[in-house]
Amino acid sequence: KQEVTQIPAALSVPEGENLVLNCSFTDSAIYNLQWFRQDPGKGLTSLLLIQSSQREQTSGRLNASLDKSSGRSTLYIAASQPGDSATYLCAVDSGSQGNLIFGKGTKLSVKP
Amino acid sequence: EPEVTQTPSHQVTQMGQEVILRCVPISNHLYFYWYRQILGQKVEFLVSFYNNEISEKSEIFDDQFSVERPDGSNFTLKIRSTKLEDSAMYFCASSDQGSSYEQYFGPGTRLTVT
Repeated sequence: KQEVTQIPAALSVPEGENLVLNCSFTDSAIYNLQWFRQDPGKGLTSLLLIQSSQREQTSGRLNASLDKSSGRSTLYIAASQPGDSATYLCAVDSGSQGNLIFGKGTKLSVKP
Repeated sequence: EPEVTQTPSHQVTQMGQEVILRCVPISNHLYFYWYRQILGQKVEFLVSFYNNEISEKSEIFDDQFSVERPDGSNFTLKIRSTKLEDSAMYFCASSDQGSSYEQYFGPGTRLTVT
């Protein structure tokens, strides 16, 4: 059974710092991996999707990498800003119908 | 930009009552999903729906749950007889190609069962 773990559970950094969020999964047979952002009491905003054949994806200050064989993904955020404060969720799709299995998330706080 | 919408944003119901949560997926999408998130816990998959039938469902999605696409735009989740433990945020999502493509989530419906 696929399990997704995110480390750390919470992270507090000063504005401007570069940071890395980690995601690991137990079964390397995945179709894709998706990173989301969740603001308190709100829905999920898709940040990046990495297909199983890809190694990384970039969007603005965000870069996500995928190492399927080791069951790991990282989300790199450059030059963090207070507006980046949110919970970041990693989710993998191991099935044929697209159902996502989520980690518990990393709660990021960027201090001005 | 197209988005997934959900109504209501908050629903309060008494134990044993039936509730219907509504979603309008992105218009050209073909795959639809329901997830739930109990407060402080992970987002959990409930069910996927394609071509007017359930593609996959989790252990959570028992006989008390059902889904329907009553017309060309709405996608609903019905809970027949709510329990206290059904209290959660329910998210609808859609994608245009199932496993190959991004899932877009709605803002959620917070269900409170008293």
